[in-house]
Amino acid sequence: NAGVTQTPKFRVLKTGQSMTLLCAQDMNHEYMYWYRQDPGMGLRLIHYSVGEGTTAKGEVPDGYNVSRLKKQNFLLGLESAAPSQTSVYFCASNPGTSGPPYEQYFGPGTRLTVT
Amino acid sequence: GIQVEQSPPDLILQEGANSTLRCNFSDSVNNLQWFHQNPWGQLINLFYIPSGTKQNGRLSATTVATERYSLLYISSSQTTDSGVYFCAVDYSGGGADGLTFGKGTHLIIQP
Repeated sequence: NAGVTQTPKFRVLKTGQSMTLLCAQDMNHEYMYWYRQDPGMGLRLIHYSVGEGTTAKGEVPDGYNVSRLKKQNFLLGLESAAPSQTSVYFCASNPGTSGPPYEQYFGPGTRLTVT
Repeated sequence: GIQVEQSPPDLILQEGANSTLRCNFSDSVNNLQWFHQNPWGQLINLFYIPSGTKQNGRLSATTVATERYSLLYISSSQTTDSGVYFCAVDYSGGGADGLTFGKGTHLIIQP
């Protein structure tokens, strides 16, 4: 049981390039999330999904798109990277509708630098 | 949205000391979690504690939901306890809206 995994672990992009971050979970969780963490701060929610085929905006969604085509995967896309998107990105999942506890489990993070 | 405030922001202790970290939140919550972010950046789940008291080894946590605060206790600190401790809350019930994080308490345990 690998839990929540993220690919890649590190990436350097030039301004204007695009990329996709992949999150996968093997716990059959309904809900999945993408957060970003900037230096000296807590995590902030970018987008989330409450089930296959659904997505919703979080606190800081601008510049990102997401897709949840399969229950176990949640993709985060940057269409045209900007230096302000330099951050560490965390994916998380939560059992969702199966009832409490609604504990979130986090992946190891992806460190992205945009130059 | 809901506000989450953690105190103190920084804490430096000698190995063996005890500490109490506090988390205040501005509205009723259904879920509350404590995390430890180690020096390698990994987020480790410590407690899922929307109310009541839990203990796990040298760590314990108490949430008083009616008074909108939670406390994390670390006893007999070890250098491996160093890192940032985050409190995060969810007021949507089932976690549908994600977690709102505090800014964390940066803990340094000196040998």
